[in-house]
Amino acid sequence: GAGVSQSPSNKVTEKGKDVELRCDPISGHTALYWYRQRLGQGLEFLIYFQGNSAPDKSGLPSDRFSAERTGESVSTLTIQRTQQEDSAVYLCASSLATSGGARQETQYFGPGTRLLVL
Amino acid sequence: EDQVTQSPEALRLQEGESSSLNCSYTVSGLRGLFWYRQDPGKGPEFLFTLYSAGEEKEKERLKATLTKKESFLHITAPKPEDSATYLCAVQLKNTGNQFYFGTGTSLTVIP
Repeated sequence: GAGVSQSPSNKVTEKGKDVELRCDPISGHTALYWYRQRLGQGLEFLIYFQGNSAPDKSGLPSDRFSAERTGESVSTLTIQRTQQEDSAVYLCASSLATSGGARQETQYFGPGTRLLVL
Repeated sequence: EDQVTQSPEALRLQEGESSSLNCSYTVSGLRGLFWYRQDPGKGPEFLFTLYSAGEEKEKERLKATLTKKESFLHITAPKPEDSATYLCAVQLKNTGNQFYFGTGTSLTVIP
């Protein structure tokens, strides 16, 4: 079946502008994650959605970052008033999440959105 | 502080030259350790999940092992198409929805 898709694949913006990144998870996957990957660095957790539960926003680096998810489908990550340090690859992943105590399912990643802030 | 460290940062191998990549972790309460492969310009691709010390998983030329402090990704007789960055990530019991990634090992296999 189809994997995780993200759009746009590349985004160039000017400092101070807002950007919106989109993620379409694998159908049936209830959990969705956003990560940031800066050049030469590991993946940095941003936010996690699980079904209708309140999202875990503990990884968002500032209040300029926000994310939404409609039910168990599409998610959008919004960065307001972009700064040059926001330049990175933004990765989305989805997984089948089990109830508490059970093993978490594997995350499957999208191809990422490459954001460049000039 | 919970940490995941991968070594070496970069590795160049001749085709057929076997080696191992290391992922060491200093975390409390490991729930699972994951290995991913990432090709340039692409998202990470899942390889293995390991849950308990002593566990091993194999796929083609790759074999992953887990101890209480580290995991190894063994590559046997690598081919040029194995060239990629290999990432490991740990999932903790007390924050099951958060995964902590290492910075990866960039592997280059020379024909």
